[in-house]
Amino acid sequence: EIVLTQSPASLSLSPGERATLSCRASQSISFYLAWYQQKPGQAPRLLIYDASNRATGIPARFSGSGSGTDFTLTISSLEPEDFAVYYCQQRSTFGQGTKLEIK
Amino acid sequence: EVQLVESGGGLIQPGGSLRLSCAASGFTFNTYSMNWVRQAPGKGLEWLSFISGDTTTKYYADSVKGRFTISRDNVKNSLYLQMNSLRAEDTAVYYCARDLGPRIVVALDHWGQGTLVTVSS
Repeated sequence: EIVLTQSPASLSLSPGERATLSCRASQSISFYLAWYQQKPGQAPRLLIYDASNRATGIPARFSGSGSGTDFTLTISSLEPEDFAVYYCQQRSTFGQGTKLEIK
Repeated sequence: EVQLVESGGGLIQPGGSLRLSCAASGFTFNTYSMNWVRQAPGKGLEWLSFISGDTTTKYYADSVKGRFTISRDNVKNSLYLQMNSLRAEDTAVYYCARDLGPRIVVALDHWGQGTLVTVSS
């Protein structure tokens, strides 16, 4: 069973800064990785699929990269609405999440 | 507009059964695979089950295999999760979600708002 490890567990940044979130797989998963954003009291929202493809309606400041075992979600310039929990997912496995907080 | 609306959650005693429903609209339901995902209070996301559009392919997480059954009615545009032998650790918000993949879980591009299931005596 594949394990996804996200780091850091939490991240404190200011609006306008760049955010870099990591997801590491316990074995190679090619490019089969998705990223989600979840705000309190809301359902998750798909951001990125197949490692680097933005989902419909997702702003260009969100980008994904990586293949094999190491993946990155980058938010180029944080907007106030970007502070949330982010999850990576591969098939039936989710990472434990990274909480992005306002500094 | 794609819409997924879950229902059927509530308070249930340990050992009891519950059937969740997810009403879909705004897309051709029978051409998409669907999933159930849950989130325990204050915890992360846990994938539970997958069903293909034609119902021929189903997958379950080990934590619910043998207790939960996924099904769908492509005439009623509805997805279901029959949950039996419920335990306290099944307490969670349950989401239905549409999948981009036809035969395996790929990515979940639309989610319902969730329905809360509380298992407690």
